[in-house]
Amino acid sequence: QQQVKQSPQSLIVQKGGISIINCAYENTAFDYFPWYQQFPGKGPALLIAIRPDVSEKKEGRFTISFNKSAKQFSLHIMDSQPGDSATYFCAASRAAGNKLTFGGGTRVLVKP
Amino acid sequence: ETGVTQSPTHLIKTRGQQVTLRCSSQSGHNTVSWYQQALGQGPQFIFQYYREEENGRGNFPPRFSGLQFPNYSSELNVNALELDDSALYLCASSLGTGVVNTEAFFGQGTRLTVV
Repeated sequence: QQQVKQSPQSLIVQKGGISIINCAYENTAFDYFPWYQQFPGKGPALLIAIRPDVSEKKEGRFTISFNKSAKQFSLHIMDSQPGDSATYFCAASRAAGNKLTFGGGTRVLVKP
Repeated sequence: ETGVTQSPTHLIKTRGQQVTLRCSSQSGHNTVSWYQQALGQGPQFIFQYYREEENGRGNFPPRFSGLQFPNYSSELNVNALELDDSALYLCASSLGTGVVNTEAFFGQGTRLTVV
């Protein structure tokens, strides 16, 4: 059973545009929601994370929006750059870094 | 670089064989989690080790087993390999209490191919 659903599976955006990736979860016990970036041949790297007591968190060009009642959260990548081309995963767990449940991933391609 | 190192980087095994994958956790971290990432999919949690004891397990059969050593490095062992075990195996380390952890840092993974 997939407990974290991620969409879209792939995304093409022009340089300078906004990339938006959405995730929905089922388990209301989840209280930690990180986003990871993965390049080919590498392990996932933490981008930004949020807890359900805040509705939005911004770090540089990356913003997480969180809707607890809808059990949804999203990643916005502002001013997308070709170097942002990677696969992005949302995840959830009951405690930070602990037994993460991942979404299926979104492959983002930023065109110059 | 995260400070989490995995070996080997690539491995080819025959169906029915056994394999051992190794992970050296980041300095100061006491918790190691293992994940299986099939091609084109998100990582799936296999199990976690905290202070040398298994501390939670995902939906994987008993032929997936592990160890954590006093220096907090870890091994993942898979017996009776099947073709579907072909995947990228990821190790992640964190500092925790067994319940709450700091963020997880991933190694670069071991690519296992079963033929």
